[in-house]
Formats: sequence, structure tokens, C-alpha cells
Amino acid sequence: EIVLTQSPGTVSLSPGERATLSCRASQTISSSYLAWYQQKPGQAPRLLIYGTSNRATGIPDRFSGSGSGTDFTLTISRLEPEDFAVYYCQHYGTSPWTFGQGTKVEIK
Amino acid sequence: QVQLQESGPGLVEPSETLSLTCTVSGDSISNYYWSWIRQPPGKGLEWIGFIYYSGSTNYNPSLKSRVTISVDTSKRQFSLKLSSVTAADTAFYYCARGGWRTSYNWFDPWGQGILVTVSS
Repeated sequence: EIVLTQSPGTVSLSPGERATLSCRASQTISSSYLAWYQQKPGQAPRLLIYGTSNRATGIPDRFSGSGSGTDFTLTISRLEPEDFAVYYCQHYGTSPWTFGQGTKVEIK
Repeated sequence: QVQLQESGPGLVEPSETLSLTCTVSGDSISNYYWSWIRQPPGKGLEWIGFIYYSGSTNYNPSLKSRVTISVDTSKRQFSLKLSSVTAADTAFYYCARGGWRTSYNWFDPWGQGILVTVSS
């Protein structure tokens, strides 16, 4: 099983600042098979990024994904008030599909 | 626009079987993979398993001995059964759509989720 480790666990930032979230895999993942989700309290996760760097439909361009091998990054270029949430990475290559433990982006 | 809706009991007694159904609207269930994912309150996400519209399945090894996922294409529904539940199975359970003709795919969209509590 591929273990995904996200860092930091929590990051405190102000609106307008840049957020950089990390996802590290225990073994190499094809860049085609890495996704990011956003989850707000009381809501289901929402797909942000698939295939490492492709934005899902309707996702603003302030969200971007990058990475390869075992290291992947989600960047939010300028935080908007609605971006404060928990973010999860997920791989969908070798079964079982797994998720990282999440990074909480909170308002400073 | 495809929408998913989970339904089933919100309370299950220990040692019993948890049964949930996901109803798909707005699109066909055919040619897609469909998954169940769960999240204990305040914790992270765990993929439970998927089913293809044809009936083939793949389960997380951590739950494989207790999980059965089935599909009813005529009703555009797929279902989850988890046997011998304990308090550790208390979680929000989500259904989600996977890939079109490929299991190597992200989850989108998700249902709103249903909280299932295991307690006597």
C-alpha cells in the first residue's frame, strides 16, 4: 500500500497569501494518478486537481498542482476567504487507492 | 449533471451489518466505476472499494473480509454491505464516481455523505 504523507498538518495564513501544501508518497507514483481534494466543514470532499496538474471543471486558476515521483505540491497563489479548508491528496494507481491525512489551511 | 445520494440507517448495532445504497441521477451508471469511501468524524479518508457497472469489484484489503459492493443498473443504484461492525466503523460514508471504463481515476463527484453510528 502506498502511504501518502502530507505536510504541514496545519498552516496558518492570511487572505491574499500563498499556500504551499506538500504530499509525499512512500513509493513512486505515476504523475497521471495523483489528485487533490478540498473539504469544508460539513461537506463532502470536492475534486480540485487530477493527474497532478489538471484543474477540475470550475476550479479557479489560483489553484495549481505540480510534482513527480514521490513529491507533489498543491499551491494556492492568493488565498481567498473561501479557500480556508482541509486539503487531501490521493493516489489512484496501484490498489488500494489511498489518501493523505490532510492539511488544514486556517486563517491567521 | 450527475448527482449521487447515499441512503440507509444512521444507527447500526455492534456485530450487525451496515447497509447503504447510493442512487445516481442525471447520468447513466453504465461504463463507470463507482466507489465507497468513509471518514470517521474528525479524521481522514479511507477508500473502501469500487464496483464497475458490469459487477466486477475491488476492495481495500483492510476491509475485504467484511465488504460486499453490488450494483443494480436498472435502478441506477449501487450498494455497500459491511458486516460485523464495531464502533471503529462509525464514520461518514460517501459514494463517489470513478472513471469511465478505467479504474485508474479520481473521484468526482461525491455524494453528500451519510453518518453511520455503530452503537447499541
